[in-house]
Amino acid sequence: DQQVKQNSPSLSVQEGRISILNCDYTNSMFDYFLWYKKYPAEGPTFLISISSIKDKNEDGRFTVFLNKSAKHLSLHIVPSQPGDSAVYFCAASPSGAGSYQLTFGKGTKLSVIP
Amino acid sequence: ETGVTQSPTHLIKTRGQQVTLRCSSQSGHNTVSWYQQALGQGPQFIFQYYREEENGRGNFPPRFSGLQFPNYSSELNVNALELDDSALYLCASSWGGRATYGYTFGSGTRLTVV
Repeated sequence: DQQVKQNSPSLSVQEGRISILNCDYTNSMFDYFLWYKKYPAEGPTFLISISSIKDKNEDGRFTVFLNKSAKHLSLHIVPSQPGDSAVYFCAASPSGAGSYQLTFGKGTKLSVIP
Repeated sequence: ETGVTQSPTHLIKTRGQQVTLRCSSQSGHNTVSWYQQALGQGPQFIFQYYREEENGRGNFPPRFSGLQFPNYSSELNVNALELDDSALYLCASSWGGRATYGYTFGSGTRLTVV
């Protein structure tokens, strides 16, 4: 049973437009959420995170929105750039028991078209 | 500041054999976590080592074992290899055991079992 779901395996966006990547979770114990970016032949790189006490966190072109009641989060990239083309993973962690581990979604491959 | 390094980068083993993967943690980090990423899936937590002791374990059988050394480097050992063990194995280091402290991932070891 997947506790973190990224239902879009891929997404194509024109350069300069907004990219929106979505993530749903089922475990109510999750209260910290992270996005990682992965290029081929490299390990995942931390991008941005959000705690469940917030509904939005912004870092430059990247913004993460959290809707706790819907158990849904999204990553917005504005404006999208060709260098953003990568696989994006959503990950979640509880704050109590099990806080040592991240549960990942399957990833969304973003392609930004010049 | 050196990042997380993993060796070897690629490995081919025969079913039933044993394999050891190695990881050097980032300078200043005292915790190492191991993840398995099968093709088309997100990384899945295997276990974590903190101060040379196993700090948590995911849903993996006992033939997956590990070690952490006084310099915080780590090994992942897999006995009696099965075809389904073919995957990218990622090592991540951090300061402290909580996933929210931020992981730095290595580039991974690609294991193929034939």
